[in-house]
Amino acid sequence: EAGVAQSPRYKIIEKRQSVAFWCNPISGHATLYWYQQILGQGPKLLIQFQNNGVVDDSQLPKDRFSAERLKGVDSTLKIQPAKLEDSAVYLCASSFVTSGRQEQFFGPGTRLTVL
Amino acid sequence: GQSLEQPSEVTAVEGAIVQINCTYQTSGFYGLSWYQQHDGGAPTFLSYNALDGLEETGRFSSFLSRSDSYGYLLLQELQMKDSASYFCAVRDRSNTGKLIFGQGTTLQVKP
Repeated sequence: EAGVAQSPRYKIIEKRQSVAFWCNPISGHATLYWYQQILGQGPKLLIQFQNNGVVDDSQLPKDRFSAERLKGVDSTLKIQPAKLEDSAVYLCASSFVTSGRQEQFFGPGTRLTVL
Repeated sequence: GQSLEQPSEVTAVEGAIVQINCTYQTSGFYGLSWYQQHDGGAPTFLSYNALDGLEETGRFSSFLSRSDSYGYLLLQELQMKDSASYFCAVRDRSNTGKLIFGQGTTLQVKP
């Protein structure tokens, strides 16, 4: 079974530039998550999709971050404009259902550096 | 709101047993999960406790006591490859059931 795919793996940009990340979840997983993980901290949920609808975006800085999940499969996360404090690893995860063990499968992440 | 506390670092020797604690303050949650993350890697699921008590999966066990707002991950027969960060996470009782992660514990296994 293929895992969660993310691209790019690394990105370096200057502040005020824009950047986009892509995620392809495990086939059949209805729930998709985007997390931000700052060095030395645990992942923080930015947005959660159920199929192509948003179920939680309470911690998404909506003035600069946006995300979409077209057709309930792939998803993109965009930052525009980026700030220095956005330097982090952006993790995408997916799960089959939002109950039970709540096992989430994570992708390798995109390491973003904002200069 | 929810908050979880873990020790920032733990060191142990190969072959030993180590316990990583997680205390939490929460208004209610469905269960406690544990994830492992190697440096530069993706978090991977280790275990989930929906009920109080001990769950065992091979060399790893996880425990939950809701009355004490406390859980732990127990790693036995430590191997060098167990050197990683370990995160506890609670599944929120909101409609979304989102996971809230602790800050993580870095485990260093020495020969």
